Amino acid sequence: EVQLVESGGGLVQPGGSLRLSCAASGFTFSTYWMSWVRQAPGKGLEWVAHIKQDGSEKNYVDSVKGRFTISRDNAKNSLYLQMNSLRAEDTAVYYCARSSWHDYWGQGTLVTVSS
Amino acid sequence: QLVLTQSPSASASLGASVKLTCTLSSGHSSYDIAWHQQQPEKGPRYLMKLNSDGSHNKGDGIPDRFSGSSSGAERYLTISSLQSEDEADYYCQTWDTGIRVFGGGTKLTVL
Repeated sequence: EVQLVESGGGLVQPGGSLRLSCAASGFTFSTYWMSWVRQAPGKGLEWVAHIKQDGSEKNYVDSVKGRFTISRDNAKNSLYLQMNSLRAEDTAVYYCARSSWHDYWGQGTLVTVSS
Repeated sequence: QLVLTQSPSASASLGASVKLTCTLSSGHSSYDIAWHQQQPEKGPRYLMKLNSDGSHNKGDGIPDRFSGSSSGAERYLTISSLQSEDEADYYCQTWDTGIRVFGGGTKLTVL
């Protein structure tokens, strides 16, 4: 059974940092693109970043470029999102998702940026 | 620019059918898309990948009541025999090199 389990969310002050993790199981992690997608309160889904199978290609939505970094550890079947210089508008539930078609999703982890 | 457009809301009666639409931006009419469902207070769930020719591949455990079709730049999700648990937000999604794109979502109300 494919499982994606996010962790690392929480309350952080504006300008602070947070590192999200996504633990994958039930499939060969190293053979899939992986994405982070977020959903602000009461809003729709927004793609944040994705990473190629071997980590050699990464892309980001413009609003997080230079502040967020996506990475992966295929030996640990894990996906990460390092978030720096956090802003109030980054407040959202963050989901990890498998493949370019997001065919499996995690349950999400809530990030709240507030003073 | 790759954009997906969805109507914000739709409604249909219990037991009836409903057809939701996702429209691809100009110049992108050949793109395949995916449909995702998000029930209240839950994470998204992949429903299917819908190809430009109308063929589709559904995700694990998705009932036969859910089907997809295509016409030009329009991509459709049809839900038949509507049940109360189908009340949810539905998002279409596609991708191109370096980007993933979601539509704004359609909130489906089952009357």
